[in-house]
Amino acid sequence: GAGVSQSPSNKVTEKGKDVELRCDPISGHTALYWYRQRLGQGLEFLIYFQGNSAPDKSGLPSDRFSAERTGESVSTLTIQRTQQEDSAVYLCASSLIDGYTFGSGTRLTVV
Amino acid sequence: EDQVTQSPEALRLQEGESSSLNCSYTVSGLRGLFWYRQDPGKGPEFLFTLYSAGEEKEKERLKATLTKKESFLHITAPKPEDSATYLCAVLRNTGGFKTIFGAGTRLFVKA
Repeated sequence: GAGVSQSPSNKVTEKGKDVELRCDPISGHTALYWYRQRLGQGLEFLIYFQGNSAPDKSGLPSDRFSAERTGESVSTLTIQRTQQEDSAVYLCASSLIDGYTFGSGTRLTVV
Repeated sequence: EDQVTQSPEALRLQEGESSSLNCSYTVSGLRGLFWYRQDPGKGPEFLFTLYSAGEEKEKERLKATLTKKESFLHITAPKPEDSATYLCAVLRNTGGFKTIFGAGTRLFVKA
């Protein structure tokens, strides 16, 4: 597609439920990144994919967080047993070389 | 530890009043420094990549410069539509692929 697409754009979930966030990168972009942005704060790195492998998972905050990617296409970020501190905007970005193209993010609210 | 610090946190300008945003960084081997613009409710939008000290890039009213310790984003004769949060980020050339973001500078330009 023309840009990076994320879905859903908004998600409200109850504490303890699992959620799945989706990212469709720009076609042909081999690198894909997930970041988290809490209200009024900077971007926090979560995970990086090159193709469908993840050479850097160092930013995943706990084992409740996992991500996968199918080939050089769609990625899903799964948060199990959500907690209130998981509330944030989750941003996905893709790139070919340097300089990311970001999606508009998924705003997750855990109540 | 790699670190990116942006100042000021917020900047209020009158239309036409030129100014500069600062990004100080500490990184073990810089591969690239990036500037992004982020509007409320949207993902960051890529502006510039700088790779080496002394390099400059320009786009409309914006000019980015880089030294070995910091980068500046100069805004000449800003307009209200330049109001946004400007993010600085650095990518190391070794040991991982994550880009580290600063917390951003919120720019408000009044007509």
